[in-house]
Amino acid sequence: ETGVTQTPRHLVMGMTNKKSLKCEQHLGHNAMYWYKQSAKKPLELMFVYNFKEQTENNSVPSRFSPECPNSSHLFLHLHTLQPEDSALYLCASSQLQGDEQYFGPGTRLTVT
Amino acid sequence: AQSVTQLGSHVSVSEGALVLLRCNYSSSVPPYLFWYVQYPNQGLQLLLKYTTGATLVKGINGFEAEFKKSETSFHLTKPSAHMSDAAEYFCAVSEGRGGADGLTFGKGTHLIIQP
Repeated sequence: ETGVTQTPRHLVMGMTNKKSLKCEQHLGHNAMYWYKQSAKKPLELMFVYNFKEQTENNSVPSRFSPECPNSSHLFLHLHTLQPEDSALYLCASSQLQGDEQYFGPGTRLTVT
Repeated sequence: AQSVTQLGSHVSVSEGALVLLRCNYSSSVPPYLFWYVQYPNQGLQLLLKYTTGATLVKGINGFEAEFKKSETSFHLTKPSAHMSDAAEYFCAVSEGRGGADGLTFGKGTHLIIQP
């Protein structure tokens, strides 16, 4: 595998479920990001990890919980989501913050 | 702090015509600038970037952009549009390597190609 991969590509979950999104980068990068992209809204930065340390949390509700066990993997744990959380969730990585970011294909999440 | 403004949420051009997507930025330090393209239900793909040096940068798929410091602009152009260019385009700015704020994205421009 090359680049940035995300699994699953599609996810449907009820409001009481717990699920996790996975992101893996094969580029040797040191920074990883979670973004939310909703229809007709700008790209929203959710979390930033730099050298495995969380450096940014853009006022994201606690029902979203990130985890970065090593510099190659990033997870987004989801629980008790709301229908308005339905969106495309994108993971990205970069060598350092400020460098160009490389994006995964995204996970299309639908909350019912 | 940094910001990006993309003029026009939708741009429509005829196949074979010039494509011009506008991007203006603000940054307190010399910026790094980027253009990304996104096809439906896919991630963002880097088209081109400006860091330092030559102000006219060439990217993939025949696109290019010119950094104009005096105008704080980084407009994206392509001489002749192709149907496959229909997509969402995002301009982004950063404060360079190690910049604490990472990338700041514009709201995107949807490019429509008329046959």
